[in-house]
Amino acid sequence: QSVLTQPPSVSAAPGQKVTISCSGSSSNIGNNYVSWYQQLPGTAPKLLIYDNNKRPSGIPDRFSGSKSGTSATLGITGLQTGDEADYYCGTWDSSLWVFGGGTKLTVL
Amino acid sequence: EVQLLESGGGLVQPGGSLRLSCAASGFTFSSYAMSWVRQAPGKGLEWVSAISGSGGSTYYADSVKGRFTISRDNSKNTLYLQMNSLRAEDTAVYYCAKLAGYYQEWYFDLWGRGTLVTVSS
Repeated sequence: QSVLTQPPSVSAAPGQKVTISCSGSSSNIGNNYVSWYQQLPGTAPKLLIYDNNKRPSGIPDRFSGSKSGTSATLGITGLQTGDEADYYCGTWDSSLWVFGGGTKLTVL
Repeated sequence: EVQLLESGGGLVQPGGSLRLSCAASGFTFSSYAMSWVRQAPGKGLEWVSAISGSGGSTYYADSVKGRFTISRDNSKNTLYLQMNSLRAEDTAVYYCAKLAGYYQEWYFDLWGRGTLVTVSS
């Protein structure tokens, strides 16, 4: 049971938009920055979003992040088949790092 | 090229020990905190441990505290994870990751490819 709650799976058609939620509490998301990671099949995770809504260089603006209270959201627009992956949110909680359980994105 | 390369994984019996290494290149290693994150087969990511750039501060997940020790040698640009009293539930791919930002605002901005640790008799 993860400290941060994500939906196990989401799906959408190519070209559409999808959002992935990450729910926490005041001890983690409520008082700390959230980051998001993409893990393509068989590969290591990669940073997608940091400090709630900032994108590292090289990450397209189709990916966006937001935070409100004790929840965060990852948005992906213009879905591509190459976006099929597992997505994880993460943040600090009382001097420990915590990840969400992960969300599998299927592009139909 | 900026990269992290893990090594040291393998098959070990329950109760045994293993030391993982992570060789860093392409950035000023001593300026950054580093971390280990693991992923059991078919499961999600689990943070294991972190260490400050100087090595003076270390942090551990409750699941490994007292059994695992994180350390670093800044002269060799290498991060380590000493794993003792290994259990079957420690079986996972172990990723080395570079931390960016400030303490408690850290995030993982660079990941290695991982090394597989299997604990089994």
